[in-house]
Amino acid sequence: NAGVTQTPKFQVLKTGQSMTLQCAQDMNHEYMSWYRQDPGMGLRLIHYSVGAGITDQGEVPNGYNVSRSTTEDFPLRLLSAAPSQTSVYFCASSYSTRTGGVSGANVLTFGAGSRLTVL
Amino acid sequence: KQEVTQIPAALSVPEGENLVLNCSFTDSAIYNLQWFRQDPGKGLTSLLLIQSSQREQTSGRLNASLDKSSGRSTLYIAASQPGDSATYLCAVEESSFGNEKLTFGTGTRLTIIP
Repeated sequence: NAGVTQTPKFQVLKTGQSMTLQCAQDMNHEYMSWYRQDPGMGLRLIHYSVGAGITDQGEVPNGYNVSRSTTEDFPLRLLSAAPSQTSVYFCASSYSTRTGGVSGANVLTFGAGSRLTVL
Repeated sequence: KQEVTQIPAALSVPEGENLVLNCSFTDSAIYNLQWFRQDPGKGLTSLLLIQSSQREQTSGRLNASLDKSSGRSTLYIAASQPGDSATYLCAVEESSFGNEKLTFGTGTRLTIIP
């Protein structure tokens, strides 16, 4: 059982380049999300999905796109990278109460993170 | 807007001591509160989840309490060990629908001195 797998672990981009951070989970979780973690600011939600074909914006969605074509995968796309997107990115998943998950027990499982530097 | 604060930002204690980490939140209308552990260069690991109707949860040497009315939670670690060194984060969930309303604190970096 691999849990939540993120790739790549490290990436350096130049301003304006595009890339995709991959996230896959094998726990049949309906809910998946992307966070960014910056020093002194805590984790902030970028985008989330409560099931295949459904995505929505979090607190800081600008500059990022997501899609959810399968239950297992939730890629995060940066279309034109900016230095402000230098951060550590975490993917997380859980059962969702929207689709019958355990109410009040939405324990998140996190990936190991992807450190992105935009020059 | 919900704000979650963890003070102090860093804490060092000798091995074997009991310690308390603090978490405060501004809006008491929460659904649950979670404590996470983050090791350097790693993701977050969930330690304890307290539902809004509960007062505390225990797991081994860890005990988390919740006082919604005062907007506070504490994580008590008994008989600390060097392996407990990590950053501890708390997060509050504001929606019964899932984790899309999860607000994190900035964490307390704990160092246990052998």
